[in-house]
Amino acid sequence: DAKTTQPNSMESNEEEPVHLPCNHSTISGTDYIHWYRQLPSQGPEYVIHGLTSNVNNRMASLAIAEDRKSSTLILHRATLRDAAVYYCIPESLYNFNKFYFGSGTKLNVKP
Amino acid sequence: ETGVTQSPTHLIKTRGQQVTLRCSSQSGHNTVSWYQQALGQGPQFIFQYYREEENGRGNFPPRFSGLQFPNYSSELNVNALELDDSALYLCASSPTGVGSYNSPLHFGNGTRLTVT
Repeated sequence: DAKTTQPNSMESNEEEPVHLPCNHSTISGTDYIHWYRQLPSQGPEYVIHGLTSNVNNRMASLAIAEDRKSSTLILHRATLRDAAVYYCIPESLYNFNKFYFGSGTKLNVKP
Repeated sequence: ETGVTQSPTHLIKTRGQQVTLRCSSQSGHNTVSWYQQALGQGPQFIFQYYREEENGRGNFPPRFSGLQFPNYSSELNVNALELDDSALYLCASSPTGVGSYNSPLHFGNGTRLTVT
């Protein structure tokens, strides 16, 4: 399974955009890239996922590099509620629905 | 729709004892997975069940076992508890099964197990 590298922590100001990077250089051509976040005292929560092209939903946008070795989760206007640990997870076709989490990025949002 | 619920929310056990944790998946979700999350770390995949059979296991010993029932509920059993088993145990369900993928997982809020 592909390994990921994320910054341990990042900080943002409220109502400003946040770009959370993830490197996944060993990803295979059929691996989807998932992003989950975990608020304090809660289980992980699905944010967004994609394969090759950029994706948007009501929560965030996902920008995937052309070579697919990295991706960026974009929160367009951070709120205090977005303070969480964000995990980037490649999902293998041969191990689908079995997610191997790394340590994630802890996002702190300042008012 | 109802979410994924887990019980109990907290539990304290003694080393060597056995424990059963329970999970109720969303209706229609025929795949359930269990994860262990130690303090300050990301969740680690324990195993997955699909239609009441084990469908993949992470790097966990056989004293970690599970059951899945037709009513979308499931159990995680841990025998001979060790101090290092202290963690948050998360249950996740999804509507997919063998033959498809990239469906989001729906997690419960976990059971906090403390082994003393």
